[in-house]
Amino acid sequence: DADVTQTPRNRITKTGKRIMLECSQTKGHDRMYWYRQDPGLGLRLIYYSFDVKDINKGEISDGYSVSRQAQAKFSLSLESAIPNQTALYFCATSETSGSLDTQYFGPGTRLTVL
Amino acid sequence: AQSVTQLGSHVSVSEGALVLLRCNYSSSVPPYLFWYVQYPNQGLQLLLKYTSAATLVKGINGFEAEFKKSETSFHLTKPSAHMSDAAEYFCAVSVDSSASKIIFGSGTRLSIRP
Repeated sequence: DADVTQTPRNRITKTGKRIMLECSQTKGHDRMYWYRQDPGLGLRLIYYSFDVKDINKGEISDGYSVSRQAQAKFSLSLESAIPNQTALYFCATSETSGSLDTQYFGPGTRLTVL
Repeated sequence: AQSVTQLGSHVSVSEGALVLLRCNYSSSVPPYLFWYVQYPNQGLQLLLKYTSAATLVKGINGFEAEFKKSETSFHLTKPSAHMSDAAEYFCAVSVDSSASKIIFGSGTRLSIRP
């Protein structure tokens, strides 16, 4: 079974709709992240969470919100989706090991906003 | 602020030829550097990481990268390309010493010609 799972894997929605993307992990890591990937732009950080009570904005948080329901779950919401939020979204985790962190990525959610 | 620049959005090599993917970084503090690979329809996975222990870093699947401070570079190489190496490759730099927040380059798509 995958260590980092994302649901749904694909979603098509309309402008103005509320969308939630979910991420679950079985790695036992404290830290979780949401990125979006756009062609030619690489990955950009939306939000990150170092533990259940610690949530921080990334470089492109406008139009998004997150919820860290438990150590293993980190959800990303688009309150009112717009077409330029069409992208591939990745969840990632990392552990606080005292050494250089490695991030582990989920398989991605492809979101299309019409 | 840290940043990475990947030279060439697309690189094509023949099977058996040398692979060279270029990455230059900008950092006001000693950087931590990564190469990630993304196979089609999958999330990113770590190829290798530089932690200042050694300037030549060996990764998975025969890849290696050399940290050159004087050139602010961290180019990825593989002596002999294999068809299975076709993927998108991302160079990344950490923004803090714990390396939990990572800035990604825009990616280089590697194609392998038979």
